[in-house]
Amino acid sequence: AQSVTQPDIHITVSEGASLELRCNYSYGATPYLFWYVQSPGQGLQLLLKYFSGDTLVQGIKGFEAEFKRSQSSFNLRKPSVHWSDAAEYFCAVGARAGTGNQFYFGTGTSLTVIP
Amino acid sequence: NAGVTQTPKFRVLKTGQSMTLLCAQDMNHEYMYWYRQDPGMGLRLIHYSVGEGTTAKGEVPDGYNVSRLKKQNFLLGLESAAPSQTSVYFCASRLAGTSRGNTIYFGEGSWLTVV
Repeated sequence: AQSVTQPDIHITVSEGASLELRCNYSYGATPYLFWYVQSPGQGLQLLLKYFSGDTLVQGIKGFEAEFKRSQSSFNLRKPSVHWSDAAEYFCAVGARAGTGNQFYFGTGTSLTVIP
Repeated sequence: NAGVTQTPKFRVLKTGQSMTLLCAQDMNHEYMYWYRQDPGMGLRLIHYSVGEGTTAKGEVPDGYNVSRLKKQNFLLGLESAAPSQTSVYFCASRLAGTSRGNTIYFGEGSWLTVV
């Protein structure tokens, strides 16, 4: 069965420090992979996605993620965190067309940024 | 750009009352979804629809009903609200094809409290 695991419930980093949020997935084929960010009281905004091709994906707000098939991972990174990055981050797996109609979300990682 | 619009944004219900959440999208998306978000549990799929006139159960469908009479609208109904349905509800939509990586777009959420 498809699933997404975000092992870190909460992460605290200092402003300017680097960040890596972990995401592992279980899926029978090559999935679509996404990272979303949710600010308090807001909906989910797409940060980046992996569809095919280059396994290092660049997103908005200076984020990037790397798809590693051998590790079933899609970790999100940012070299220098800003205070405005404090939010909840969700990793998601999407079934490819014809194989399903659902997305599977991780339980989220809450990021706190210390000034 | 309206995208995905949910109404109402906030609602307080008494146990046993009924209500309907409305989701409207203006992107001509075939697929629409209703999720609920609860602390520590991420997003859980309630119901989804792959096209006008069709609906299907997701992970947590009990106590909810849905209808997709028009392509742009997806309604979520609570027939007899229970305190366990206190949650934040998110509507989402996406295209059916693969040309854009099946990106899912979210509304801003509806906060429902059942007392």
